[in-house]
Amino acid sequence: EVQLVESGGGLVQPGGSLRLSCAASGFTFGSYWMTWLRQAPGKGPEWVATIKQGGNERDYVDSVKGRFTVSRDNAKNSLFLQMNSLRAEDTAMYYCARHMWGSFDYWGPGTLVTVSS
Amino acid sequence: EIVLTQSPGTLSLSPGEGATLSCRASQSVSSNYLAWYQHKPGQAPRLLISGASSRATGIPDRFSGSGSGTDFSLTISRLEPEDFAVYYCQQYGSSPETFGQGTKLEIK
Repeated sequence: EVQLVESGGGLVQPGGSLRLSCAASGFTFGSYWMTWLRQAPGKGPEWVATIKQGGNERDYVDSVKGRFTVSRDNAKNSLFLQMNSLRAEDTAMYYCARHMWGSFDYWGPGTLVTVSS
Repeated sequence: EIVLTQSPGTLSLSPGEGATLSCRASQSVSSNYLAWYQHKPGQAPRLLISGASSRATGIPDRFSGSGSGTDFSLTISRLEPEDFAVYYCQQYGSSPETFGQGTKLEIK
């Protein structure tokens, strides 16, 4: 059974940093692109970042470029999102998901990030 | 980027009834790369449909997707109690992938 479980969310002040993790199981993690998405209160989901199998190719939504870094450890079946210079508008539930030809076939339950003073 | 508009915002129906949810794109979705997801509070979103009409693994056949170009629909033929949730469409034909704002399907 495919499982994705996020962790690392919390309350952080504007300008602060957080590192999110996603533990994957039930599939060959290193064979798939992986993605972070987020959902702000009252809005639809938003794609944030994708990383390809080897970890060398990454893509980001414009609003987080230069502030967020996606990475992965295939030996530990883990996905990460380092978030720096956080802003109030980054407040959202963050999800990791398995990327399947552009759609997302498995998601985790999410971890909440709140940016507030 | 492609903007997806879902309608209605909320749909109130009873178990056993049929439901049709709409997703309209601001420009044509390449190769009908359109997906639908179901999301219940506190749970992981669930992929229902990809490629506009292909059901994902384990999805009951009461869920069906249709449409092309800019107009897409998700139909649930006979609502079960567990179908009441929020539904999102997503296009992946153009970068960045984008989602609609959702349709809440609630029990009448």
